Amino acid sequence: AQSVTQLDSQVPVFEEAPVELRCNYSSSVSVYLFWYVQYPNQGLQLLLKYLSGSTLVKGINGFEAEFNKSQTSFHLRKPSVHISDTAEYFCAVSEGNYGGSQGNLIFGKGTKLSVKP
Amino acid sequence: EAGVVQSPRYKIIEKKQPVAFWCNPISGHNTLYWYRQNLGQGPELLIRYENEEAVDDSQLPKDRFSAERLKGVDSTLKIQPAELGDSAVYLCASSREDRSGQTQYFGPGTRLLVL
Repeated sequence: AQSVTQLDSQVPVFEEAPVELRCNYSSSVSVYLFWYVQYPNQGLQLLLKYLSGSTLVKGINGFEAEFNKSQTSFHLRKPSVHISDTAEYFCAVSEGNYGGSQGNLIFGKGTKLSVKP
Repeated sequence: EAGVVQSPRYKIIEKKQPVAFWCNPISGHNTLYWYRQNLGQGPELLIRYENEEAVDDSQLPKDRFSAERLKGVDSTLKIQPAELGDSAVYLCASSREDRSGQTQYFGPGTRLLVL
């Protein structure tokens, strides 16, 4: 069965500092990987996704993530954060083949990023 | 392009009362999902529709939860009767089959509080 582990429940960081939010997954088949952001009292917004090809994926708002198959990781990074990046970030995985239960997203428990001035 | 629409945004009810949530997916998206997000947790799938057919409802508590997607567009999720533990955010998402890997787009959610 698939699972997603977000290693840090909370990450405090100062404005303009770099940040890395860690995500590890387990799956016996090929996967698609996603990062979503959730601002307070809002739904989830897609930041970026890995389907295939280049392991370095760039997303919106200056975020990027790197797929590492050998370490089963998909860590999210940003070189310089802003106050407006304060939100909760969710890593998610789905099986790489469409059909049936494949394609359903399995989410981690989330990481709360708090950017301080 | 309009996003996924959900209503109501907030709902407060007393336990044992019924409640219903409505979702209108993005136009052209044939797949619709209902998730439940408990406080401090990631979303968990309740049910997935392909057009009007429920293809995965294994996580839906069928004794009190029901869902429908008439005509393969809008969907309604119902709880009857509600219990205290049903307090959560109910998220609807939609996707379509294409090369994007069925990327799911989420609505703003309905925040339910059961007293």
